[in-house]
Amino acid sequence: SQQGEEDPQALSIQEGENATMNCSYKTSINNLQWYRQNSGRGLVHLILIRSNEREKHSGRLRVTLDTSKKSSSLLITASRAADTASYFCATAPQNSGGSNYKLTFGKGTLLTVNP
Amino acid sequence: DTGVSQNPRHKITKRGQNVTFRCDPISEHNRLYWYRQTLGQGPEFLTYFQNEAQLEKSRLLSDRFSAERPKGSFSTLEIQRTEQGDSAMYLCATQIGYEQYFGPGTRLTVT
Repeated sequence: SQQGEEDPQALSIQEGENATMNCSYKTSINNLQWYRQNSGRGLVHLILIRSNEREKHSGRLRVTLDTSKKSSSLLITASRAADTASYFCATAPQNSGGSNYKLTFGKGTLLTVNP
Repeated sequence: DTGVSQNPRHKITKRGQNVTFRCDPISEHNRLYWYRQTLGQGPEFLTYFQNEAQLEKSRLLSDRFSAERPKGSFSTLEIQRTEQGDSAMYLCATQIGYEQYFGPGTRLTVT
């Protein structure tokens, strides 16, 4: 079953704008990860945030985590046409012994960046 | 390219036929996962190997599905007596540390 729910389901912006995607989940987690998937391709890992972290940065990516609300957000700054893809959050359960093991993915947000 | 390869990339088969997919992981990664992804959905966990041992199978993995990982190297996923509902993208991923590395997937179409 899907644990995470991304919001919005689809987002269309102009190049240079920022894109924010949200993810909510249901159970306690060890960590939360964001992945990108280009059309018809495999997933690429973007960033991981542990349950004891509140914010993390990687290049143009900023992830926040609020475990009290069971939610996370992914911000992509200064978007580019090449950022066009589907973005998924994935959670690893709290009892996963410190390793990812059996990620549970949301349905994803389809981001379109128009040149 | 993550270093995980899957073959074939596309498979069209008729209902009732058997199909087998292969995943070649990054050599030093001892954990290997199979996921299934249908259109508009995120990947769903199917099964997981630690080296050659299959440690968990999802309820999604019916008796028609079997996975192997001989000698802890490549893995195969076989679907017997395919049904139209089996049409999906089948993704393989390997893991080292916290990050999972996904292959490009095998897209199965059952007609």
